[in-house]
Amino acid sequence: EAGVAQSPRYKIIEKRQSVAFWCNPISGHATLYWYQQILGQGPKLLIQFQNNGVVDDSQLPKDRFSAERLKGVDSTLKIQPAKLEDSAVYLCASSSYRDGSNYGYTFGSGTRLTVV
Amino acid sequence: DQQVKQNSPSLSVQEGRISILNCDYTNSMFDYFLWYKKYPAEGPTFLISISSIKDKNEDGRFTVFLNKSAKHLSLHIVPSQPGDSAVYFCAASSGTYKYIFGTGTRLKVLA
Repeated sequence: EAGVAQSPRYKIIEKRQSVAFWCNPISGHATLYWYQQILGQGPKLLIQFQNNGVVDDSQLPKDRFSAERLKGVDSTLKIQPAKLEDSAVYLCASSSYRDGSNYGYTFGSGTRLTVV
Repeated sequence: DQQVKQNSPSLSVQEGRISILNCDYTNSMFDYFLWYKKYPAEGPTFLISISSIKDKNEDGRFTVFLNKSAKHLSLHIVPSQPGDSAVYFCAASSGTYKYIFGTGTRLKVLA
């Protein structure tokens, strides 16, 4: 089974610029997550999609971050305008539930964003 | 408010010995716990899980113990191998499949 694909792997931008990240989840996984991992911290959930609907975006800074999952498959996360504190690894994950049990997420390799 | 805490940022263990990684949580509603392993420049990979109805789950060299009264879980790796050197995250959820992660513990297994 192919894993969760993310691009780009690395991105360096200046503050106040905009940036977009792309994620393609594992085929058939209905749930997709975007996490932000700042250096030295654990991943923090930004937004959770179930198919193409938003389940939870309570920790998404909506003044500058936006995300969409058109057609319930791949997803994009955008930051506009970026701030220095947005420097982090952005992880996409997807999940499915087998036999009624949660087998956890499968993460992509992440996009490392550096804002200068 | 850090609901999931890993108080040891790093741990060094000799090859062949036991590695014990600890995790504490504050929310008594958490009912499912995961451990993830992360190598540099890669995303976290799922390692082992435990439901709150159990107190132990074992998978090969990896065992997770859950002490609900103490709100504490631990991951035991026996025997430790150099390839186990990575950052380990514990994560917890309360039935919503939204996981809250700890800050991670960097394990170094010395050959």
